[in-house]
Amino acid sequence: AQSVAQPEDQVNVAEGNPLTVKCTYSVSGNPYLFWYVQYPNRGLQFLLKYITGDNLVKGSYGFEAEFNKSQTSFHLKKPSALVSDSALYFCAVRDLYNFNKFYFGSGTKLNVKP
Amino acid sequence: SAVISQKPSRDICQRGTSLTIQCQVDSQVTMMFWYRQQPGQSLTLIATANQGSEATYESGFVIDKFPISRPNLTFSTLTVSNMSPEDSSIYLCSVDLYLLRQGGSYNEQFFGPGTRLTVL
Repeated sequence: AQSVAQPEDQVNVAEGNPLTVKCTYSVSGNPYLFWYVQYPNRGLQFLLKYITGDNLVKGSYGFEAEFNKSQTSFHLKKPSALVSDSALYFCAVRDLYNFNKFYFGSGTKLNVKP
Repeated sequence: SAVISQKPSRDICQRGTSLTIQCQVDSQVTMMFWYRQQPGQSLTLIATANQGSEATYESGFVIDKFPISRPNLTFSTLTVSNMSPEDSSIYLCSVDLYLLRQGGSYNEQFFGPGTRLTVL
């Protein structure tokens, strides 16, 4: 079975500082991993994905994520946080046997303070 | 990409009533998906809706409670029947598109803005 875990309910960071939102995965094969962001009263927006290739994946709005197979992690990062990055972030993994199905993490609320 | 709209955006309903949520996509898609996001929780897949066949429900969800229609390739509805306060959630529809990009081709899932349902 596939699953992802987000160990932090909330992350607080000051504007201009680097941010990390953590995600670990558990899959029975090669993982297809995703990060989505949800702004208040909005749907989920795709940020980035890892399927294969470079372990460092670059996505929208200056975000990147590093796939680490030995640590089974896929942490989301940004070198310099903006107040406008404050939102709810979800890590997700595709089901390898039912490709249209996603398993989402519990979500991490990112608060960026000016 | 895909632009997805949902109606209503929010509603407050009485216990025992039913609400039908509409999802419209700006392109033709084979599969549409309905998710539930309960307060403070993650997204859970309710069902997959294929055009021309009955929806496939995930464990814990049944057709009598969440009937789904899929009359064409751009539209779907989800009905929340005989509602109780436990049904208060955000309901999102999504589609999966196969995208051709310069760097390669891949599947990407797009989500609607969600319908925020409160049951009193």
